[in-house]
Amino acid sequence: KAGVTQTPRYLIKTRGQQVTLSCSPISGHRSVSWYQQTPGQGLQFLFEYFSETQRNKGNFPGRFSGRQFSNSRSEMNVSTLELGDSALYLCASSLEGREFYTGELFFGEGSRLTVL
Amino acid sequence: AQTVTQSQPEMSVQEAETVTLSCTYDTSESNYYLFWYKQPPSRQMILVIRQEAYKQQNATENRFSVNFQKAAKSFSLKISDSQLGDTAMYFCAFGNTDKLIFGTGTRLQVFP
Repeated sequence: KAGVTQTPRYLIKTRGQQVTLSCSPISGHRSVSWYQQTPGQGLQFLFEYFSETQRNKGNFPGRFSGRQFSNSRSEMNVSTLELGDSALYLCASSLEGREFYTGELFFGEGSRLTVL
Repeated sequence: AQTVTQSQPEMSVQEAETVTLSCTYDTSESNYYLFWYKQPPSRQMILVIRQEAYKQQNATENRFSVNFQKAAKSFSLKISDSQLGDTAMYFCAFGNTDKLIFGTGTRLQVFP
C-alpha cells in the first residue's frame, strides 16, 4: 500500500510569508504527527492529530498550527515566517497514535522549507 | 521533562567493522520505550530497533543490538559487520503515551 505522502517536497519562501504543508497518511491510519528537523536540534515534536482533533502539542509558538480532515489527511501552517523556520518538516502516521510507545510510526520523506 | 542526548554528531566506520553509537536520556517515568531510527540520505526515517524499559534483556535485530543500562539512563546502538547501506543519520528516541522525543542525531559514514 502507498506510504506517507508529503507535499510539496521543496519550497522557498521569504520572511513574513506563510506556508501550508500537506501530509497524506497511510490508508487506515488515523493519527498524524508532525516534527521539525534542523541540523542542530534534531527532530522536535510539533503536534499530533487523531480523528480531526489535536491531542498533543509541542513547545512551538502559535505561528505553527495544524488541522486534520475527515479522511485523516493533515495540514500544518506556519504564518509570519522567520529565517529560523527553515527546516525539514516530517510527518508520521500510525494507526491509533498510541504507537509512540511502540515506535511503529511511518514517516514521509518530508517537506524542505527554506526561508530567505 | 524528558530529554535525549546524542553526544556524537558524526562517526565513521570501515565496512565489516563494528561501531557503537551513544545515547543518554533523562526521565522520571518508569514505563517507556527507547528507539533507534535510521534516516538514509534523502529517504524516509525507519525504525531500526526498540527496547521496552521494563525488559532487562537487550534487544537485538540481526546486525543491530542495543546496550540498555536503565540505572545509568544509557541506550547505545551497536552495528556489527557494517555495510555501505548503513550510511545514514541515526536518531535515538524516547517514547511515552504522548509523544516521541528525539536526540540530535549521529551521522554515520561507512567507508569501503
